[in-house]
Amino acid sequence: DVKVTQSSRYLVKRTGEKVFLECVQDMDHENMFWYRQDPGLGLRLIYFSYDVKMKEKGDIPEGYSVSREKKERFSLILESASTNQTSMYLCASSYPQGVAGELFFGEGSRLTVL
Amino acid sequence: GENVEQHPSTLSVQEGDSAVIKCTYSDSASNYFPWYKQELGKRPQLIIDIRSNVGEKKDQRIAVTLNKTAKHFSLHITETQPEDSAVYFCAASETGTASKLTFGTGTRLQVTL
Repeated sequence: DVKVTQSSRYLVKRTGEKVFLECVQDMDHENMFWYRQDPGLGLRLIYFSYDVKMKEKGDIPEGYSVSREKKERFSLILESASTNQTSMYLCASSYPQGVAGELFFGEGSRLTVL
Repeated sequence: GENVEQHPSTLSVQEGDSAVIKCTYSDSASNYFPWYKQELGKRPQLIIDIRSNVGEKKDQRIAVTLNKTAKHFSLHITETQPEDSAVYFCAASETGTASKLTFGTGTRLQVTL
């Protein structure tokens, strides 16, 4: 079974803090994604990566950055957390590169920014 | 970019009835249309998908239909059961260097006894 692991299930941070959300997948997938899930808005793509050190902006990249130094790990960074970034964050991976296919999701990280 | 609209936002059916969820998309280049189910507190999981060279696909009680001309696709669940209660998301993607899925806003399906 594909396993996508997100480092923290629940986080509480203060406005202005730097936040790191880590995601690791164990199936050698080329593609990795960060989505944000909010009630009534569905899943919105923040950033994605189709190769090591490659990154592409999704639909809502403002206020976020990402890092992919190794194939199995994709990190989402909030440089200066704000209350409107309180949300559920979902990491996902897929394969092969260049072909639309099944997304395998992590369990999610629920971030609260006070 | 792609825009996916999904209706209805909530749907309540009696056990044994059918449920239909509809989606429209904007980008005519999209050619992959999956459906994900998310049970309460769980991660979304793929339940069925269809590619643009196929008009209909069925897997037991679940079927998806695609109308590329009208840019519509739908999920049909027959003989609904309580375990079908969940949030369902449609999505659309163009195949490219990085396959990027755009999701609809979700439909909360409640199957009542």
